[in-house]
Amino acid sequence: AQRVTQPEKLLSVFKGAPVELKCNYSYSGSPELFWYVQYSRQRLQLLLRHISRESIKGFTADLNKGETSFHLKKPFAQEEDSAMYYCALSPMYSGGGADGLTFGKGTHLIIQP
Amino acid sequence: DAGVIQSPRHEVTEMGQEVTLRCKPISGHDYLFWYRQTMMRGLELLIYFNNNVPIDDSGMPEDRFSAKMPNASFSTLKIQPSEPRDSAVYFCASSFSKGAQPQHFGDGTRLSIL
Repeated sequence: AQRVTQPEKLLSVFKGAPVELKCNYSYSGSPELFWYVQYSRQRLQLLLRHISRESIKGFTADLNKGETSFHLKKPFAQEEDSAMYYCALSPMYSGGGADGLTFGKGTHLIIQP
Repeated sequence: DAGVIQSPRHEVTEMGQEVTLRCKPISGHDYLFWYRQTMMRGLELLIYFNNNVPIDDSGMPEDRFSAKMPNASFSTLKIQPSEPRDSAVYFCASSFSKGAQPQHFGDGTRLSIL
């Protein structure tokens, strides 16, 4: 069985400070890792995924298979980053296909002015 | 595209009543997922479909829950009879299998069982 752990329910930082949202996972196969974000009164939306290796809205996340982690980072937080962030895992399918996501409990990020 | 559309947005009903939640996936997506979100358990997968066929319903909590996908553009999640502990936000998501595309979520249905 797979599991995703987000140890922080709430994280509060000041604007301009660095942000790191922690995510650890357990899965015996090859995982695909995602970060989803839910801004106030908006739907859950994909922020980034590890296979894309992109930086979205200044956020990056690197999959560390040795530490089974996929921490989300941003060097300088902005007030509009305040939201709920969910780390999620899915089995990797090389030839297409999909599976349900296993989510962490989420971290509420608050950026103080 | 309007994205994944769920209805109703809010539902309040008394225990024992039948509840039907609806979902319209993004056109062309061949996977559809139902999730439930509660304070205690977070977001959990209930069931998912591929090409209208249920693939994994191991997350469905009890026989009171059932889900159908009669065609590629519509799915329902039904609870009968409903109980107060079913109160939660229910999300529908869809995705396209080619290239392992990410899931797109609807706005959710906030269900309250009194």
